[in-house]
Amino acid sequence: GAGVSQSPSNKVTEKGKDVELRCDPISGHTALYWYRQSLGQGLEFLIYFQGNSAPDKSGLPSDRFSAERTGGSVSTLTIQRTQQEDSAVYLCAIGGPTYGYTFGSGTRLTVV
Amino acid sequence: EDQVTQSPEALRLQEGESSSLNCSYTVSGLRGLFWYRQDPGKGPEFLFTLYSAGEEKEKERLKATLTKKESFLHITAPKPEDSATYLCADFLAGNKLTFGGGTRVLVKP
Repeated sequence: GAGVSQSPSNKVTEKGKDVELRCDPISGHTALYWYRQSLGQGLEFLIYFQGNSAPDKSGLPSDRFSAERTGGSVSTLTIQRTQQEDSAVYLCAIGGPTYGYTFGSGTRLTVV
Repeated sequence: EDQVTQSPEALRLQEGESSSLNCSYTVSGLRGLFWYRQDPGKGPEFLFTLYSAGEEKEKERLKATLTKKESFLHITAPKPEDSATYLCADFLAGNKLTFGGGTRVLVKP
């Protein structure tokens, strides 16, 4: 949606390769979230950044997944040694419970 | 464990045929219940937040209601442009949303 830009929109990668997914939110939002939407499953929480606090990584499925947020703005989700089960749409969101969360259009990752 | 269940999984409606979607959640201490609309190839689009039992919110042909254990999204006299997947999510603490599996709605002219 307006306010969150994700790139690339589609990514096809070979099994075992590393990928980086980018989220570029509109400025002024201290909270940023990553979710994953797999076929046949609902959206699942991955990680949450709030300002300069340590991120909440409790949703990351394995240590192959990591994320960082530089300068309180752009965030990158990195998946190392991709597996076929990593194929999904990865969504970035900003905002919070008071005014609702705004999601980007996502990156569709396909691991072949 | 927090679980959010949506029913039905899919709904086919004729234009003008009103219906309701259900979202049930298991935990107590709910801090918010969200409804989103998702079109193919796009991220979820925010519709409503409900905070307490008895609360209702409306937007065009959509009306969301909340009880202690479930929420309903009523679609009144739907049009084909209301075709989408409707997602609900609850919010406890820790700024995480727990989503249901969604209801795919198809409105035929």
